[in-house]
Amino acid sequence: EIVLTQSPGTLSLSPGERATLSCRASQSVSGSYLAWYQQRPGQAPRLLIYGASSRFTGIPDRFSGYGSGTDFTLTISRLEPEDFAVYYCQQYGSSPSFGQGTKVEI
Amino acid sequence: QVQLQESGPRLVKPSQTLSLTCTVTGDSISSGSFYWSWIRQPAGKGLEWIGHIYATGITDYNPSLKSRVTMSVDTSKNQFSLKLSYVAAADTAVYYCASEHGSLDHWGQGILVTVSS
Repeated sequence: EIVLTQSPGTLSLSPGERATLSCRASQSVSGSYLAWYQQRPGQAPRLLIYGASSRFTGIPDRFSGYGSGTDFTLTISRLEPEDFAVYYCQQYGSSPSFGQGTKVEI
Repeated sequence: QVQLQESGPRLVKPSQTLSLTCTVTGDSISSGSFYWSWIRQPAGKGLEWIGHIYATGITDYNPSLKSRVTMSVDTSKNQFSLKLSYVAAADTAVYYCASEHGSLDHWGQGILVTVSS
């Protein structure tokens, strides 16, 4: 089983600032099969990034992902009020698993 | 656009079987475009992938739940289902269904299932 560790647990920032979220895998994620999801309170998660760096349909370009192997990053270039949420990474190269989440708060 | 909606009993007694159905609109389950997945989330905690099923009935389950999980698909109703047997309080969670194309592209709104006597 691939274990994903996200850091930091909580990120305290202001609107307009840049957010950098990390996701580290316990072993290499094959094919860069790594996704990022955003979950707002009371809502289902929504897909932001797949294949480590491809934005899903309708996702603003302030969201970007990169990485390969065991180290992946999600960057939000300028935080909008609606971006304050919890973010999860997920690998789907083998039996899928999620990280524990990073909360981005004001 | 694919839309999904979970349904089923919201209260299940310990040791019984949790049964949920996901109704898909906007795409045909039998089209082969996606796998069809279940994920759960205990209150205040993270996400756990339960498993997925393909239109042909091929399944793959989370090893930690494999002994208790059964998934099925009903192409005539464009639905897929989850059964989780011998539930306990630790199975109390919001259960989501989703379409899976590797990543989980589209999600249902989720249904809270409570395990309690």
